[in-house]
Amino acid sequence: DVKVTQSSRYLVKRTGEKVFLECVQDMDHENMFWYRQDPGLGLRLIYFSYDVKMKEKGDIPEGYSVSREKKERFSLILESASTNQTSMYLCASRYKTSGISDTQYFGPGTRLTVL
Amino acid sequence: KQEVTQIPAALSVPEGENLVLNCSFTDSAIYNLQWFRQDPGKGLTSLLLIQSSQREQTSGRLNASLDKSSGRSTLYIAASQPGDSATYLCAVGGSARQLTFGSGTQLTVLP
Repeated sequence: DVKVTQSSRYLVKRTGEKVFLECVQDMDHENMFWYRQDPGLGLRLIYFSYDVKMKEKGDIPEGYSVSREKKERFSLILESASTNQTSMYLCASRYKTSGISDTQYFGPGTRLTVL
Repeated sequence: KQEVTQIPAALSVPEGENLVLNCSFTDSAIYNLQWFRQDPGKGLTSLLLIQSSQREQTSGRLNASLDKSSGRSTLYIAASQPGDSATYLCAVGGSARQLTFGSGTQLTVLP
């Protein structure tokens, strides 16, 4: 079975702090994604990565950056956390884009609170 | 820009009932459509994936249909059980890389 793990289930940070959210998948997937989920807004794509060292902006990249130095790991970075970044963050991976139809596998999520 | 809508936002049914969850999307030029389940405070679990060339997919008590021309999909759950209680999310694959999600339907199956 595909396993996608996220470094923390719950995280509390202060405004202005630099925050790292880590995601690891164990199935040699090429594509990885970061979403945030907010009540009434659904899941929104922040960034995604086709492969190692590659990244593309999603729908709401402002205030975030990402890093993909190894194939299995995709990190989301909040350079200076703000209260409006309080949310549930979900990581996902997918085998590759060529078939288009491959499903995305999700991690358990990290609930981040910024005070 | 693709928009995905799920109605109703919440649904409560007695155990054993058959039910239908609805999903609509604005742009019919899609590659696939997926239904996910999310339990409270957890990540998403993929239930069914329908490619754009398909009309339906089935897995156990679940059946998902797709009508691209009308921009609609339904998820049919037969003989519902309390363990089916969760939020069900519809997501449309509109490019090689991205999914657009609906806000979900929160289902409660009462024993």
